[in-house]
Amino acid sequence: AQSVTQLDSHVSVSEGTPVLLRCNYSSSYSPSLFWYVQHPNKGLQLLLKYTSAATLVKGINGFEAEFKKSETSFHLTKPSAHMSDAAEYFCVVSLNTGFQKLVFGTGTRLLVSP
Amino acid sequence: NAGVMQNPRHLVRRRGQEARLRCSPMKGHSHVYWYRQLPEEGLKFMVYLQKENIIDESGMPKERFSAEFPKEGPSILRIQQVVRGDSAAYFCASSPEYEQYFGPGTRLTVT
Repeated sequence: AQSVTQLDSHVSVSEGTPVLLRCNYSSSYSPSLFWYVQHPNKGLQLLLKYTSAATLVKGINGFEAEFKKSETSFHLTKPSAHMSDAAEYFCVVSLNTGFQKLVFGTGTRLLVSP
Repeated sequence: NAGVMQNPRHLVRRRGQEARLRCSPMKGHSHVYWYRQLPEEGLKFMVYLQKENIIDESGMPKERFSAEFPKEGPSILRIQQVVRGDSAAYFCASSPEYEQYFGPGTRLTVT
């Protein structure tokens, strides 16, 4: 069955330093993968998506993720963290059901200190 | 184009009451999804609807929960005889075909 594992429940960085949020997936076929961000008491916003085109995917707000089939990973990175990046981040896989049935990871809370 | 709208944003119900959560999809979107987010967890798929049809309800609890998406009006997620374990954030998403756009959620508290 398709699933995603987010390896860190919390990540703390200082403003201006790089961000790395880790995600590993399990899938028996080439998956569609997404990263969503959730700010406190807000809905979810799509950061970026991978759908079997380029393996390096660029998203909004300077985020990008690289699909590595050999490592079954889809880690999210950003060169320089901003205070406004503090939020919950979800790695998501879409099941091959004929419609976009999303399976969410448990989330990583990113804390950014001044 | 307004985003996906959900109301109420916060809902408090006593055990045994009914909860009705509404979702108005984006204009032109005919697909609606409902998800539940328990505290400290990711979102879990509940149900997928198109206008007047339930396409997949494999994530819905077998009892007390129902969903509809009528020809006119918002999609409704209905929870009968709520229990404390129903306290959660309920999100809906709409889609024109494939990619989903999420609403701000309804936070249900059962006292």
